[in-house]
Amino acid sequence: GQQVMQIPQYQHVQEGEDFTTYCNSSTTLSNIQWYKQRPGGHPVFLIQLVKSGEVKKQKRLTFQFGEAKKNSSLHITATQTTDVGTYFCAGPLYNQGGKLIFGQGTELSVKP
Amino acid sequence: NAGVTQTPKFQVLKTGQSMTLQCAQDMNHEYMSWYRQDPGMGLRLIHYSVGAGITDQGEVPNGYNVSRSTTEDFPLRLLSAAPSQTSVYFCASSYLGGGTGELFFGEGSRLTVL
Repeated sequence: GQQVMQIPQYQHVQEGEDFTTYCNSSTTLSNIQWYKQRPGGHPVFLIQLVKSGEVKKQKRLTFQFGEAKKNSSLHITATQTTDVGTYFCAGPLYNQGGKLIFGQGTELSVKP
Repeated sequence: NAGVTQTPKFQVLKTGQSMTLQCAQDMNHEYMSWYRQDPGMGLRLIHYSVGAGITDQGEVPNGYNVSRSTTEDFPLRLLSAAPSQTSVYFCASSYLGGGTGELFFGEGSRLTVL
């Protein structure tokens, strides 16, 4: 069935280094969302991308949606300890309104 | 506003016991959903609802029941708990359904089945 795959599963970086997580869908997505979950917390919405090739920035975070709308990425420039957490992408199942499927997440740890 | 409220936050059950995880939202959202989170598995959709009186199955519905009698409430029932249902459960709601629009999550309910 339709899947949303995310890599890597874990990423350990030194503070100040960049970080990227990638999300790939087996089918075309109408939109893709990104969430952040701090350790022990709940997922919090970051952004939604809708258009093919869309790029959005939030301070040090850059989100991209692929031209084919089957992949997406989140890039963090110059990581800080406040960036620690798990980042999830999520996309709706095709023709199954209401089913938002999440990737497995990328857990980011940052060494100060 | 309280947002999405889940109770209880922690629960320990014995195999075969039943229980209900409560979820309430005060944002007048039509769309509500339940996810479970297990290490390395991400968030998996259990059941969802696009409005009062309407529910549907997600990716992993077996062993769980839901109902939606009001816009505000979306309880998740475990009729006969199994150790495989040990997990963290999140309720989420959204103004827009169809996988569009920001999901607001509750703080989670950590369930252990012995």
